[in-house]
Amino acid sequence: DVKVTQSSRYLVKRTGEKVFLECVQDMDHENMFWYRQDPGLGLRLIYFSYDVKMKEKGDIPEGYSVSREKKERFSLILESASTNQTSMYLCASRPQGSFNYGYTFGSGTRLTVV
Amino acid sequence: AQSVAQPEDQVNVAEGNPLTVKCTYSVSGNPYLFWYVQYPNRGLQFLLKYITGDNLVKGSYGFEAEFNKSQTSFHLKKPSALVSDSALYFCAVRDPTTGFQKLVFGTGTRLLVSP
Repeated sequence: DVKVTQSSRYLVKRTGEKVFLECVQDMDHENMFWYRQDPGLGLRLIYFSYDVKMKEKGDIPEGYSVSREKKERFSLILESASTNQTSMYLCASRPQGSFNYGYTFGSGTRLTVV
Repeated sequence: AQSVAQPEDQVNVAEGNPLTVKCTYSVSGNPYLFWYVQYPNRGLQFLLKYITGDNLVKGSYGFEAEFNKSQTSFHLKKPSALVSDSALYFCAVRDPTTGFQKLVFGTGTRLLVSP
């Protein structure tokens, strides 16, 4: 089975800190995605990457950046954490091309900014 | 813009009864539609998809979904609900306007199955 692993299940950070959320997939997928999930808002796309060092903004990129130096790893960076970034963050991956596979999601990181 | 709507925040059903979770979509071109389920403190798990072909799609855990082009709907169904089906369900549609085929998700519907 494809595995998408998010390094932390729960994180508590202080306002103004720089925060790194890590995601690793083990099936050589080209495409990787970062979503945030908030009650009543569903999943909203922050950034995605279609290959190493390639990235595209999603619907809500403000306050975030990403890094993809290796194919298997996609990092989400909160440059200066704020309380309105308290949320559940979900990483996903899928192979390029056919949509027969949909997405495979990690278990999520619940971030609290205090 | 591509979008999906899940009109119900929550659906309550008794165990053994049939369940329906509603989804309508708006997309340019042919719709690629998906259902995902999320159990507490977990990521999303793929349930089923419609790409083309038969309007009734069968998926994991006994779920199925009916694609209705005229009503732009893709409702999730199960003939007999289990308590263990209680979870958060998301409908999603492929966004064909970029070359990278993002998914656009609905706001989610919480399903509660009572014993």
